[in-house]
Amino acid sequence: AQKITQTQPGMFVQEKEAVTLDCTYDTSDPSYGLFWYKQPSSGEMIFLIYQGSYDQQNATEGRYSLNFQKARKSANLVISASQLGDSAMYFCAMRPDMGRRALTFGSGTRLQVQP
Amino acid sequence: DSGVTQTPKHLITATGQRVTLRCSPRSGDLSVYWYQQSLDQGLQFLIQYYNGEERAKGNILERFSAQQFPDLHSELNLSSLELGDSALYFCASSVAVGDFYEQYFGPGTRLTVT
Repeated sequence: AQKITQTQPGMFVQEKEAVTLDCTYDTSDPSYGLFWYKQPSSGEMIFLIYQGSYDQQNATEGRYSLNFQKARKSANLVISASQLGDSAMYFCAMRPDMGRRALTFGSGTRLQVQP
Repeated sequence: DSGVTQTPKHLITATGQRVTLRCSPRSGDLSVYWYQQSLDQGLQFLIQYYNGEERAKGNILERFSAQQFPDLHSELNLSSLELGDSALYFCASSVAVGDFYEQYFGPGTRLTVT
């Protein structure tokens, strides 16, 4: 079984600053994928970034980067140059392989960007 | 727009009733996943279909059932509804992006049981 832990229920960050959202995971699967999703107040789930367990480099997508530390089983999301539109819930998720299996989600972190 | 459609957007019904939520995956996607997001349980996987067949089950109650039709749309049936079934129900479909499969989520159906 897999487990995702997000220990920060809420975070505040000033506009234009960087912020790190923590995610740790537990799995016995030899290969897995790690995801981050954003859920604004409107409710939709927006895919942000993906990291495969065998990827040597940390994933980056624009202002989002994933700080993947396999030995520590952590997959933290870093948002650089925060914008007011980044205020939302952020969910870390994992899947036990690279295929079509379902996602296991963490409890989420609510990020509020302050002007 | 993820390309996954869900209807209805909102649904209000009474305890004991039965409702059907509908989902159409992205064009060409054969997999459909149903997730439930509630305040006490968080986001959890309910059930997955692939090309019309059930592929995996998560924490789906016996009062809930789903199916995927030949045109690949899917329906989630919730019966004998209880107050605790009030939640946001998401459908997702899966597409290969490079060497991994990304899940695109629909806008969700917000179910309120009164």
